[in-house]
Amino acid sequence: EAGVAQSPRYKIIEKRQSVAFWCNPISGHATLYWYQQILGQGPKLLIQFQNNGVVDDSQLPKDRFSAERLKGVDSTLKIQPAKLEDSAVYLCASSLARVTYEQYFGPGTRLTVT
Amino acid sequence: AQSVTQPDIHITVSEGASLELRCNYSYGATPYLFWYVQSPGQGLQLLLKYFSGDTLVQGIKGFEAEFKRSQSSFNLRKPSVHWSDAAEYFCAVGNNNDMRFGAGTRLTVKP
Repeated sequence: EAGVAQSPRYKIIEKRQSVAFWCNPISGHATLYWYQQILGQGPKLLIQFQNNGVVDDSQLPKDRFSAERLKGVDSTLKIQPAKLEDSAVYLCASSLARVTYEQYFGPGTRLTVT
Repeated sequence: AQSVTQPDIHITVSEGASLELRCNYSYGATPYLFWYVQSPGQGLQLLLKYFSGDTLVQGIKGFEAEFKRSQSSFNLRKPSVHWSDAAEYFCAVGNNNDMRFGAGTRLTVKP
């Protein structure tokens, strides 16, 4: 069974530029999560989708971050414009359903903002 | 509000020695508890989880964890550590809409 795929794996941008990350969850997984993991910290949930609807985006900085999950499969997370403090690893995870709690994580995208 | 504390930032053990990683949580109801492992450049992999029932939970790779409600703890243990266990370990507490992770404990294994 293929795992959660993410691209790119690494990205370096200057502040005020924009960037987008892509995630392809495990086939059949209805729930998709985006996490931000700052160096030395645990992952922090940014947004959760159930199929193509947003379940929770309370911790998403909506002035600069946006995410979508068109057709309930792939998802894209965008930052525009980026700030230095956005430097982090962005992890995508998926689960079969919200109630299973077993989340499967992708390898992450390491973003460096200079 | 729910929160997770992992008191040890970094632990070093010798290969073959036993291991215990500490996790304390704060949660208003019965918690769902998890341990994840993250190797360098990799995503998180679920080691084990506790939802209810037997408070001693067995996981993959020879790990186990014990839920102690009176101490609000969910410590991870392994009787004999292998060099391949060197990684970052995260404790998490969650429910339907929210998963909170601890800051992690980095495990170094000495030959």
